[in-house]
Amino acid sequence: GGIITQTPKFLIGQEGQKLTLKCQQNFNHDTMYWYRQDSGKGLRLIYYSITENDLQKGDLSEGYDASREKKSSFSLTVTSAQKNEMAVFLCASSITVSNERLFFGHGTKLSVL
Amino acid sequence: GDKVKQSPSALSLQEGTNSALRCNFSIAATTVQWFLQNPRGSLINLFYLVPGTKENGRLKSTFNSKESYSTLHIRDAQLEDSGTYFCAAEAGNNRIFFGDGTQLVVKP
Repeated sequence: GGIITQTPKFLIGQEGQKLTLKCQQNFNHDTMYWYRQDSGKGLRLIYYSITENDLQKGDLSEGYDASREKKSSFSLTVTSAQKNEMAVFLCASSITVSNERLFFGHGTKLSVL
Repeated sequence: GDKVKQSPSALSLQEGTNSALRCNFSIAATTVQWFLQNPRGSLINLFYLVPGTKENGRLKSTFNSKESYSTLHIRDAQLEDSGTYFCAAEAGNNRIFFGDGTQLVVKP
C-alpha cells in the first residue's frame, strides 16, 4: 500500500498572502490532483497533472498555481488569499489518467483572517 | 454538483437496518466511484465501477450507464458507517465530477 501526505494539516493566512500547500505520494502513481472542498459541498477540481512537469487546469484554476516538481510531489499555491476564505484542499493520485481510481490525502484546512 | 445529483442529502438509520443511496448523472458517465468521508475528513475509496455491480462486505454498488445512475446499498448498518458518502463520475474526457454528498448518521 501507499500513502499520500499533505502538509501542512492546518494553514492560517492573511488576506492577500501567497500560500503554498504540498502533497507527496509514494504509490508511484502517474497522475495527481488538487481538489477544493467547501463546507457541505462536493469536491471541485483545481489542477491536475498526468506526469512529472505536466499541468492541466481544472474547473477552479483561477487564483491558483500548481507545480509538479517530480513524480511523487505536487504543490498548490493560492496566489492571493481571500479574506474570510475557509476551505479544505484535498490532494489525490491515480495510477494513470485513464485509470482514475482516486486515492486521497487527509487534506489541508485553510482559514484566511 | 449540477452534473452529479446525490440523494438523499441526509439520512438517519438505526443500527442493523438497510438503506440505499443514489446518484443520478446528467453526463455520459463511463466510470463511477463511491467514497466515504469520515468525521476526520479522510476520503476512503469504497468502489471504482464500470457498468455493473460490485460487492464488498455489507456494501454493494451498481452502476447503470444506460439509465445514468448509480446506487450504494448498505446492509446491516453499523455505527462506523456514519459519515458523508460521495459519488463521483468520470465523463470520458478524464474529467471527474463529484456530487454534494449524503450525510449518513447511524444511531444505536
